Amino acid sequence: KAGVTQTPRYLIKTRGQQVTLSCSPISGHRSVSWYQQTPGQGLQFLFEYFSETQRNKGNFPGRFSGRQFSNSRSEMNVSTLELGDSALYLCASRSNQETQYFGPGTRLLVL
Amino acid sequence: QQQVKQSPQSLIVQKGGISIINCAYENTAFDYFPWYQQFPGKGPALLIAIRPDVSEKKEGRFTISFNKSAKQFSLHIMDSQPGDSATYFCAVPNTGTASKLTFGTGTRLQVTL
Repeated sequence: KAGVTQTPRYLIKTRGQQVTLSCSPISGHRSVSWYQQTPGQGLQFLFEYFSETQRNKGNFPGRFSGRQFSNSRSEMNVSTLELGDSALYLCASRSNQETQYFGPGTRLLVL
Repeated sequence: QQQVKQSPQSLIVQKGGISIINCAYENTAFDYFPWYQQFPGKGPALLIAIRPDVSEKKEGRFTISFNKSAKQFSLHIMDSQPGDSATYFCAVPNTGTASKLTFGTGTRLQVTL
């Protein structure tokens, strides 16, 4: 079974721009969650999507948004990028009978 | 809001030794409690997970011990190998929102020859 895939793997943007990250979950997994990982704050939950609906949300500003498609693939968007948004963005998927499996992440650098 | 404390921050173990990492949480939760292994530049890889109605789970050299009443669980790595050198994270599901994991701050393990 293929794992969680994320594209792109690396991204460089400048302040004020927006970015869209993509995630394909493990086949059959309907829940997709997004996390931000930074050296200072560690791993922090952004939001979770299930059946195309946002089910849970973390404590991030509205500049961070996401969506999920009918095939469970998910996208995350960050608008008006700030230097502090530089991080590794991780996508994770799960089924009801398991815990979460993470993808390799997208490393975002904001200049 | 779930609170998680992971210790130690770093650990040096000789090859063949036992590595022990501890995790404590505040709020009761009922879903899987996982441990993840992360190498530099990679995403966290699920190592082993346990449900809170089980006190111990073993998979190969990795064992989780779970103490529900004390709200603590630990990861034991037996016969530690240099290839185990990585950062390990415990994670705790939030009460009522199991897909929202709160992570420990991580333990950097170094296994020396």
